[in-house]
Amino acid sequence: DIVMTQFPDSLAVSLGERATINCKSSQSVLYSYNNKNYLAWYQQKPGQPPKLVIYWSSTRESGVPDRISGSGSGSDFTLTISSLQAEDVAVYYCQQYYSSPYTFGQGTKLEIK
Amino acid sequence: EVQLVESGGALVQPGGSLRLSCAASGFTFSVYWMSWVRQAPGKGLEWVADIKEDGSDNYYLDSVKGRFTVSRDNAESSLYLQMNSLRVEDGAVYYCVRKTSAYDRLLAFDIWGQGTMVTVSS
Repeated sequence: DIVMTQFPDSLAVSLGERATINCKSSQSVLYSYNNKNYLAWYQQKPGQPPKLVIYWSSTRESGVPDRISGSGSGSDFTLTISSLQAEDVAVYYCQQYYSSPYTFGQGTKLEIK
Repeated sequence: EVQLVESGGALVQPGGSLRLSCAASGFTFSVYWMSWVRQAPGKGLEWVADIKEDGSDNYYLDSVKGRFTVSRDNAESSLYLQMNSLRVEDGAVYYCVRKTSAYDRLLAFDIWGQGTMVTVSS
């Protein structure tokens, strides 16, 4: 199974500042035949189901603000929120869909400082 | 509106059985791989099972193989999860989820239901 590890576990950032969450997979999730990284990011707010924000490591889901972006390739990935807004407070999960079982990181709790 | 609505969650004793249902609407259910993902209280997300658009193929988390069965009824736009020999550690919110595009398995999950709670306790 591919193990997904996120860091940090929690993060406090001031409003308007940059937030960066990292995710590392135990093996590459890049398929060479199509050059795509099978990596997604989800945002989960309290009492709500997760919401897809990024897929293919850097493709923003429709309706997601452009201050949220994803980057990385192979085994190392980053979710960046360029200017933190109050509505971005949530737990963020990375997930690989390269092979089943599709595994998630442990989550990173993002709060306002 | 694209929507997934789960039902069937309950309190059940260890060793018991439960059948979860998911009603899909607002999209062509019959062309999408569908999945179940669970989340234990206060914990992270765990994928449980996948089923192909026509029901002819499926995949399971190792810890549920032989105990859980995923199925679907495309005529009713419904997804099911039959859970047998339930264990305390199966207690979680179970989400019905859709893959981002039709006819493909290795995709992210773009539509999530609100979830249904399964509690396994004596």
